[in-house]
Amino acid sequence: QVQLVQSGAEVKKPGSSVRVSCQASGDSLSTSALGWVRQAPGLGLEWMGGIIPVLNIPVYAQNFEGRVTITADKSTTTGYMELRSLRSEDTAVYYCMKIGDDCSGVTCYSRMDVWGQGTTVIVSS
Amino acid sequence: DIHMTQSPSSLSVSVGDTVSVSCRAGQNISNYLNWYHQKPGKAPKLLIYGASSLHSGVPSRFGGSGSGTDFTLTISSLQPEDLGTYYCQQSYRTLMYTFGPGTKLEIK
Repeated sequence: QVQLVQSGAEVKKPGSSVRVSCQASGDSLSTSALGWVRQAPGLGLEWMGGIIPVLNIPVYAQNFEGRVTITADKSTTTGYMELRSLRSEDTAVYYCMKIGDDCSGVTCYSRMDVWGQGTTVIVSS
Repeated sequence: DIHMTQSPSSLSVSVGDTVSVSCRAGQNISNYLNWYHQKPGKAPKLLIYGASSLHSGVPSRFGGSGSGTDFTLTISSLQPEDLGTYYCQQSYRTLMYTFGPGTKLEIK
């Protein structure tokens, strides 16, 4: 069973960038997708985007298009999320997760079945 | 984006109760609907996928139903550890996901 370990908390200035890493242990992510979700203080879960490592094709949520870059290394054991032009509203806990498929015949159901522990990012001047 | 709504936004219940949480999608998503449980300060955990399939290790008191646009999460015989927030999430298109706003469950 894969486990995901994220990098540590960050404090950033407005206008700067942050890069959060997500390392898989126990298995690679070669047969899965890797996604990123954030949660601002007291609020709900917000989908940011994801990547299918073997294809190296990222997909971004509209709200983050142009400001976020999601990558995964060639060995598909570590994923990265970079968010640029930070503002105070980006203060949140950022989660990575493995998106596995359960397939029956031609139908596959994608679900976020393993989560990282979360990385707190604080944006403050 | 496919818009997701949930009701109620919060619920106060007693141990042993049966609880139902509703989730509605802005368009037909067949049964591409997942449910998660998040305890305060922790990462969410998968409960149900494909609208009604129980994830490995999840207690059988959790159940999911629905298809199309309307879905329900049911928790039977509520336990104290079931407190927290429940989120639905649509997985209709690959990596183009959205979450519902959440339903906060408080134990009386």
